[in-house]
Amino acid sequence: DGGITQSPKYLFRKEGQNVTLSCEQNLNHDAMYWYRQDPGQGLRLIYYSQIVNDFQKGDIAEGYSVSREKKESFPLTVTSAQKNPTAFYLCASTLRLPWTGLGENTIYFGEGSWLTVV
Amino acid sequence: AQSVTQPDIHITVSEGASLELRCNYSYGATPYLFWYVQSPGQGLQLLLKYFSGDTLVQGIKGFEAEFKRSQSSFNLRKPSVHWSDAAEYFCAVISGNTPLVFGKGTRLSVIA
Repeated sequence: DGGITQSPKYLFRKEGQNVTLSCEQNLNHDAMYWYRQDPGQGLRLIYYSQIVNDFQKGDIAEGYSVSREKKESFPLTVTSAQKNPTAFYLCASTLRLPWTGLGENTIYFGEGSWLTVV
Repeated sequence: AQSVTQPDIHITVSEGASLELRCNYSYGATPYLFWYVQSPGQGLQLLLKYFSGDTLVQGIKGFEAEFKRSQSSFNLRKPSVHWSDAAEYFCAVISGNTPLVFGKGTRLSVIA
């Protein structure tokens, strides 16, 4: 079945270390997204990519980096510059942006990754 | 700026009572609207969505939502709440070339 796979589900890291979260999709989607969730803050957009080798900053990109070398993969690196990295991270994908609302343009979400920095 | 507002951070209802969760959006273009539910420690589950047509949409688990363009609202309702509905609920909007934007969520508690 097609879907999004995020790994690892749980990750512990020491402060000052970079960490990379994996997001892979086999849906042949062009657009992929990374969100961060904190209690009371909802889900906030970190980065998104509309096509291979291109990506844009979201609302809270500082301290994060991404790459989109392959259509199916959109890894997120949480760098040591991110002041409060402990959070739940969610990856998503859509067939494309701009959003058209057509039937095939459904939003898919991964199961999320919990990152704890100590 | 485009935004989604969920005015209620936390709502407590009695089991069997009716529920309405509010959502207001601010978008220039035609919005496509969603409601998601998240149980503790879990990912997101889509409850319902509005793209066009009938402004009253039915979703899973007995939920419905009404799109009111004049009020820029997309409120979620359920006639009779069950204890298993306790969770966090997110309204979200996507429009044109703008990625999905979420509200801050409303936490629902259900008491006996």
